[in-house]
Amino acid sequence: SAVISQKPSRDICQRGTSLTIQCQVDSQVTMMFWYRQQPGQSLTLIATANQGSEATYESGFVIDKFPISRPNLTFSTLTVSNMSPEDSSIYLCSAKEGNTIYFGEGSWLTVV
Amino acid sequence: SQQGEEDPQALSIQEGENATMNCSYKTSINNLQWYRQNSGRGLVHLILIRSNEREKHSGRLRVTLDTSKKSSSLLITASRAADTASYFCATDETGGFKTIFGAGTRLFVKA
Repeated sequence: SAVISQKPSRDICQRGTSLTIQCQVDSQVTMMFWYRQQPGQSLTLIATANQGSEATYESGFVIDKFPISRPNLTFSTLTVSNMSPEDSSIYLCSAKEGNTIYFGEGSWLTVV
Repeated sequence: SQQGEEDPQALSIQEGENATMNCSYKTSINNLQWYRQNSGRGLVHLILIRSNEREKHSGRLRVTLDTSKKSSSLLITASRAADTASYFCATDETGGFKTIFGAGTRLFVKA
């Protein structure tokens, strides 16, 4: 199974700033995804991170707010731009091997 | 958009009892998976059941799938305090590659 490392694990961010979350997988994977989990809620898919091309965003999420990079088959970044308190969430990187999704430990962002 | 609805939203039981959680979904699926999330942590994959399977076991876990009713259940037998967590079902739609998560059930097992 893929092992996924995310950083930062936790951060407190000022309103209006941007933060980039890094995700490293210990093996090459075709599919990587970014999810958001707001407090007490389920996971919502933000986008599919495509290697070598622009990410595919879900309804309600746009590239200007959540730019994503995927330079190779083991690494991706998600930037949360111009943050507001509503962006306070856990952001989870995931990778798919076969039919199973594996998750990092998540990045807890609190926007103040 | 979320695919699955789960019930109950929260469940509190005594250690040693069985816990049953249910999940319903809306579209045709390739498979259905259950995940566990301990508070403040990432998700751990528990079990996958394919659309052509009806029941699957893994240790104290038993999963059923009824594609005609578009529903699944997760049974945890002889629960332990360490089973306290949130449990999510997740589905891969037929012909798709995205995994969509249900609302989750928060299980609390009292010692």
